Amino acid sequence: GAVVSQHPSWVICKSGTSVKIECRSLDFQATTMFWYRQFPKQSLMLMATSNEGSKATYEQGVEKDKFLINHASLTLSTLTVTSAHPEDSSFYICSDRGIGQETQYFGPGTRLLVL
Amino acid sequence: AQTVTQSQPEMSVQEAETVTLSCTYDTSESDYYLFWYKQPPSRQMILVIRQEAYKQQNATENRFSVNFQKAAKSFSLKISDSQLGDAAMYFCAYSPGAGSYQLTFGKGTKLSVIP
Repeated sequence: GAVVSQHPSWVICKSGTSVKIECRSLDFQATTMFWYRQFPKQSLMLMATSNEGSKATYEQGVEKDKFLINHASLTLSTLTVTSAHPEDSSFYICSDRGIGQETQYFGPGTRLLVL
Repeated sequence: AQTVTQSQPEMSVQEAETVTLSCTYDTSESDYYLFWYKQPPSRQMILVIRQEAYKQQNATENRFSVNFQKAAKSFSLKISDSQLGDAAMYFCAYSPGAGSYQLTFGKGTKLSVIP
């Protein structure tokens, strides 16, 4: 399968700061990337769909001003958690889907802890 | 809206034995994709197997196979010759395919392998 990298793998930050998470598609050009959030012992919850060169599509209940997504190239999408608060602490996972590909391949995830 | 149901929160299997994980889904579409993903303790999501709804033949990947019953909207995963490394959370997922490719996940089944 495809290889997706995510950086950083771990981040601890103070409340009120912003955190940027990068998701890179290493094997192919990903026109679409997805961002998920996963709480302990729960399933993945889709936050938004990131489309190269256009605005991201956010799922209902996800604050677009809180979770800024940029997909400036076919291999890179970023998620910025702005003014992070302890309730934003979670595991964030990205995935990519290449052109004509119906399968999503996932990055290793980023653990965010907001103090 | 599509829903995916995994009715077994936890399962266990003896090493070298066979186990079947259940998944049912609800959709009004005729063409779609179904997936099983594995999430070990590292939390990396790994694609186990994929099934296209238009294919009647059940997908197989080495020790992993599915029983796809389209009319019953059932998609179970069979793991043969279970190994210790198979211990993980298993998520069933649905994708509508063309135009969307968003994944809807079930709540997961935690599989333990007993030596």
